[in-house]
Amino acid sequence: DQQVKQNSPSLSVQEGRISILNCDYTNSMFDYFLWYKKYPAEGPTFLISISSIKDKNEDGRFTVFLNKSAKHLSLHIVPSQPGDSAVYFCAARDSGYALNFGKGTSLLVTP
Amino acid sequence: DADVTQTPRNRITKTGKRIMLECSQTKGHDRMYWYRQDPGLGLRLIYYSFDVKDINKGEISDGYSVSRQAQAKFSLSLESAIPNQTALYFCATSDWTSGGTFFGPGTRLTVL
Repeated sequence: DQQVKQNSPSLSVQEGRISILNCDYTNSMFDYFLWYKKYPAEGPTFLISISSIKDKNEDGRFTVFLNKSAKHLSLHIVPSQPGDSAVYFCAARDSGYALNFGKGTSLLVTP
Repeated sequence: DADVTQTPRNRITKTGKRIMLECSQTKGHDRMYWYRQDPGLGLRLIYYSFDVKDINKGEISDGYSVSRQAQAKFSLSLESAIPNQTALYFCATSDWTSGGTFFGPGTRLTVL
């Protein structure tokens, strides 16, 4: 049973607007949450993370919000740029430092 | 130079053949992982290793085996490849102190 879920397979946003990617999880023992960006024919690259003891982490245009009670996190990209077009994976870390991934959301930022 | 390298990058093989995918890292990390990506399924964990003497099964280990030859090397083997093992395979490493996980570029394996 999938412990990390990204229910939107795709998202299209206009350049300059906000992109919001959502992720839900079921295991309350996850201690760290990460977002990865992936281009075709490349490995996932780390984007931003958040510890389970925090509710917000910001890095430039990227902000991750964590709502532990709802077991929900989101990634906000503001402003969105065409170069942000990629597949975004939400991942949650377990005690063995292995990552449990969602199925990904394909983001398209249109000019 | 890349911190995590995988060889080969692409491989086409036939059903029943033995295949080995290799991974090397220069990050000095103790933990290494093999993941598999299938369209629409995200990345799933096959095996992971905390150090040279430690091997652990992941979510989908059936049909696979691994070997941790050194801290920097972690190989994945398919003893008898089957078509549903056609996928993109990623090696990853992580540091126990920070937990950051870094991925290799991937190996595209096709089993005919």
